[in-house]
Amino acid sequence: DTGVSQDPRHKITKRGQNVTFRCDPISEHNRLYWYRQTLGQGPEFLTYFQNEAQLEKSRLLSDRFSAERPKGSFSTLEIQRTEQGDSAMYLCASSLANYGYTFGSGTRLTVV
Amino acid sequence: AQTVTQSQPEMSVQEAETVTLSCTYDTSESNYYLFWYKQPPSRQMILVIRQEAYKQQNATENRFSVNFQKAAKSFSLKISDSQLGDTAMYFCAFMWTGNQFYFGTGTSLTVIP
Repeated sequence: DTGVSQDPRHKITKRGQNVTFRCDPISEHNRLYWYRQTLGQGPEFLTYFQNEAQLEKSRLLSDRFSAERPKGSFSTLEIQRTEQGDSAMYLCASSLANYGYTFGSGTRLTVV
Repeated sequence: AQTVTQSQPEMSVQEAETVTLSCTYDTSESNYYLFWYKQPPSRQMILVIRQEAYKQQNATENRFSVNFQKAAKSFSLKISDSQLGDTAMYFCAFMWTGNQFYFGTGTSLTVIP
């Protein structure tokens, strides 16, 4: 296992389009997290899954954002009707309970 | 609410010297975890060191050590024998439920040859 994988690495989209990002966690990890990081800031929590259940969502996750983790494996994060303010790095992380937190390299989204 | 403050946006250190990065946090919880993460220009966040709040002994990992002052809510990172590969953004982070990290705004460290 090579760690947490995120795809794509970069995404440029026009305002109003929908985008979807994928995260493949470390296979034995039961927890999966999404964070958003804007320039000059630390990552901010978006949402958290334990297995396939989405247990917590941040206020940052507006109704244009949806995340899924079918079968408790990979996860997708979809942003509908993208806005310029959605431009950021989207980071995925996984862990086994409270240990082994590992981050992916992120997906950089640019909305033009 | 949990908050993490890193008051040094940028720092630099000569190669082989020692540097200390500061972090303070605010919480009403008694059991929690503190972390330092490194984010090189390649972007991936890498765990540097982890501290459990119930442990009085300061964590160390090779050239990296922390000064954890629970009463003062302070968690500084000391990097000894700085190397060029230490150049990166360093984020202090807090976690108490295991559900999410609270990150500071980061310190950009440059190691000068």
